[in-house]
Amino acid sequence: GENVEQHPSTLSVQEGDSAVIKCTYSDSASNYFPWYKQELGKRPQLIIDIRSNVGEKKDQRIAVTLNKTAKHFSLHITETQPEDSAVYFCAATLSSGSARQLTFGSGTQLTVLP
Amino acid sequence: GAVVSQHPSRVICKSGTSVKIECRSLDFQATTMFWYRQFPKQSLMLMATSNEGSKATYEQGVEKDKFLINHASLTLSTLTVTSAHPEDSSFYICSAIDTYNEQFFGPGTRLTVL
Repeated sequence: GENVEQHPSTLSVQEGDSAVIKCTYSDSASNYFPWYKQELGKRPQLIIDIRSNVGEKKDQRIAVTLNKTAKHFSLHITETQPEDSAVYFCAATLSSGSARQLTFGSGTQLTVLP
Repeated sequence: GAVVSQHPSRVICKSGTSVKIECRSLDFQATTMFWYRQFPKQSLMLMATSNEGSKATYEQGVEKDKFLINHASLTLSTLTVTSAHPEDSSFYICSAIDTYNEQFFGPGTRLTVL
């Protein structure tokens, strides 16, 4: 099955700086890669996703890049703000006609220091 | 976006008792729902896939007799933790898949077994 590795496990940045979180996946058939933000005790919230036919996607301060050959994808947050502090999870799956079963990375605790 | 609810949000029970957690898709029908468990500072681990009208599919290492799943309708799946023990204490999160194969998470249920 799919295996997703995520680094770093913790990341502290100064407000206004950029943050980068990286993930690798094992199954070359995976074609959908979402990123979730989870605040303590709350549900994961989808913040951005990318499909395997695209190399990069951007939404305001958040961007995701995908390298299919190397089987890794990254989350980039620019101009970080204290409210960006949370745990971020990457995930990978094969999106086909059947329901999408996600495999999650281990998570990154991002702390944005004011 | 689609809304998924869970009930209860928190439950405290004595060791040996059973606890039922409900997951509902409020504004869409979900033929498939997923149940996850999340221990403190860890990632979401898929426990089982719940399919309406059929038996759930459990991940390796998850005891199906201990974690009973019933997906009786297109909007409701239930997870019953039978004979709960302190090591079952965790954050249980469900998710539901809509017709566009998008996954929406419930708010989670914090189970504490004394």
